Amino acid sequence: GENVEQHPSTLSVQEGDSAVIKCTYSDSASNYFPWYKQELGKGPQLIIDIRSNVGEKKDQRIAVTLNKTAKHFSLHITETQPEDSAVYFCAATLSGHTGTASKLTFGTGTRLQVTL
Amino acid sequence: DGGITQSPKYLFRKEGQNVTLSCEQNLNHDAMYWYRQDPGQGLRLIYYSQIVNDFQKGDIAEGYSVSREKKESFPLTVTSAQKNPTAFYLCASIGGLSYNEQFFGPGTRLTVL
Repeated sequence: GENVEQHPSTLSVQEGDSAVIKCTYSDSASNYFPWYKQELGKGPQLIIDIRSNVGEKKDQRIAVTLNKTAKHFSLHITETQPEDSAVYFCAATLSGHTGTASKLTFGTGTRLQVTL
Repeated sequence: DGGITQSPKYLFRKEGQNVTLSCEQNLNHDAMYWYRQDPGQGLRLIYYSQIVNDFQKGDIAEGYSVSREKKESFPLTVTSAQKNPTAFYLCASIGGLSYNEQFFGPGTRLTVL
């Protein structure tokens, strides 16, 4: 089955700096890679995702890159703000067709702390 | 206002007791999931269901049971057979055209006393 490794486990940056979180996956068939943000005591929320036919995707201050050959993908947050402080999870799956449930495999999470 | 609700938010249980966690969604999603989250670990899949009256074991199903009698509801029972049940439990659902984005509920924190 799929195995996802995520690094670092904790990351502290100053406000305004960039933050990068990296994940590797094992199953070359995986084709969908979402990133979730989880605030304390809440459920995770999808912040960005990428599919295997795309190398990079950007949404305002957040971007994700995918290297299929190396089987790794990264989350980039620019101009970090205190409200970016949270735990971030990467995940990977082989995307199912409509009517087939996808089983996400999650990384172990990165606790991002943005300091003033 | 569409979404996923989980209740209760906090739950305390004595050892040896079964307890049922509620998960309801009004998103008209077909697939629903239960995850367990422990400190310093990712989300681990307990059970999932693609359609009503059908469900499959995930990676850590031992000591848990589920039912899917209605599309909107996917309750999880933590049985006394679960050796270490204290954890944060998350319910999620998938639907829509992409059939990939998982929407999560707010979670239930279960503590065994």
